[in-house]
Amino acid sequence: EPEVTQTPSHQVTQMGQEVILRCVPISNHLYFYWYRQILGQKVEFLVSFYNNEISEKSEIFDDQFSVERPDGSNFTLKIRSTKLEDSAMYFCASSRIGELGEAKNIQYFGAGTRLSVL
Amino acid sequence: LAKTTQPISMDSYEGQEVNITCSHNNIATNDYITWYQQFPSQGPRFIIQGYKTKVTNEVASLFIPADRKSSTLSLPRVSLSDTAVYYCLVGGHASGGSYIPTFGRGTSLIVHP
Repeated sequence: EPEVTQTPSHQVTQMGQEVILRCVPISNHLYFYWYRQILGQKVEFLVSFYNNEISEKSEIFDDQFSVERPDGSNFTLKIRSTKLEDSAMYFCASSRIGELGEAKNIQYFGAGTRLSVL
Repeated sequence: LAKTTQPISMDSYEGQEVNITCSHNNIATNDYITWYQQFPSQGPRFIIQGYKTKVTNEVASLFIPADRKSSTLSLPRVSLSDTAVYYCLVGGHASGGSYIPTFGRGTSLIVHP
């Protein structure tokens, strides 16, 4: 069964450093998403991406964050200058374009990258 | 955005049927209802999706009344491995429009031996 893969599984960084979290979505999917989940809290939407541009973004997704699809397979989340409060699990997800009668929100999630900012 | 309300937690025993109800009073006409399951330290996993009436797959059933203001996820004969957090989301119609997937707190289901 196709799956979304994320690397690394755990990233430790110093406050103020830049990090890039990587995701390989399912190959025939066209919508891509990033979420974060702070320990013990709910899953929070960060950004959605379609047709090489951001579709939607939340208030969390400020100027410190950026996303990119550098080639035909990878989808990355960059945090420019990490803060302690960026420590969380980051999930990538992808979905197919919705066919008639099928919603586009059937999302397939990766296993996540645990980001620890020290 | 349609807001969802679910019980914070539920307890059950192995072999029982579990029904988790989600309220979504301001669901829009084109909104679908989607349920996800999440185990600790893993990403959410799609369980089932529906628009109206009843949907069944190999894992669960989804019951949606005519007014669509609520939905009930039914898990038949749960096992210990069904212990997880369950989320219902509304929105995301294929015809387009803004869609920001919103996960609430979910329902933490604990299945006891």
